[in-house]
Amino acid sequence: KAGVTQTPRYLIKTRGQQVTLSCSPISGHRSVSWYQQTPGQGLQFLFEYFSETQRNKGNFPGRFSGRQFSNSRSEMNVSTLELGDSALYLCASSKGDSNNEQFFGPGTRLTVL
Amino acid sequence: EDQVTQSPEALRLQEGESSSLNCSYTVSGLRGLFWYRQDPGKGPEFLFTLYSAGEEKEKERLKATLTKKESFLHITAPKPEDSATYLCAVPGNSGYALNFGKGTSLLVTP
Repeated sequence: KAGVTQTPRYLIKTRGQQVTLSCSPISGHRSVSWYQQTPGQGLQFLFEYFSETQRNKGNFPGRFSGRQFSNSRSEMNVSTLELGDSALYLCASSKGDSNNEQFFGPGTRLTVL
Repeated sequence: EDQVTQSPEALRLQEGESSSLNCSYTVSGLRGLFWYRQDPGKGPEFLFTLYSAGEEKEKERLKATLTKKESFLHITAPKPEDSATYLCAVPGNSGYALNFGKGTSLLVTP
C-alpha cells in the first residue's frame, strides 16, 4: 500500500510570494491534516480536512489556507510569505474517525529568503 | 490547556545500554497516546497507539507503556539504527488534531 506523498519535496521562495503544497493520502483515507515543524516550536497543527470540509483549525494566521478535493487529495497555500514561514510542512492522513492514527508523508521543506 | 512534555530532550546511549524515554501529558480525558519515530529530514513514522492505563505494546526493541499521567518508551539493547527523534502526541479536544511533545533525540553509539 502506497504511503502519503507530498510534492514538491523542497521549495525556495522569497518574502511576499505565495506557495502551494500538495498532499496525496493513503488510499482509502479520507482525512488529511497539515502540520508545521520548526526547530523552536516543534510540530504544530495547521488544519484538518475530511470529505472536502475543514473540520479543525490551529492557531495560524489567515495567510495559511487549505482545501481538499473529492479524491481526498489536499493542498495548502501560504500567501505573503514571511521569513518565519521557513519550516518542514507535513501532511498526515487517517481514516477520519476521531483519535485515529495519523500517517505522515515525507514533508515539504520550505525556505523563505 | 492540553500539554505534552517529553524528557529527556536528548539521550546518548552505548549500543546495548537499555533506557526509557518519558512522555507526560495533561489532558481532560485521554483518548489515545501516539508514539512516532522521526529520522532527520523525514516525516514521523507511526510506532504505537495506547488507549488505556496499563496498556503495553511492543515492536522489536521498543516497548511503550501508559499510566494515567505519563507514557514510557522503553528501549532494550538499542542499536545504532535506533538513533532518531522519538515523539509522543495526544489528540486535542476535537480528536482530529494531535498535540506533540518536543521529542527526545536519541543517539546510540557503537
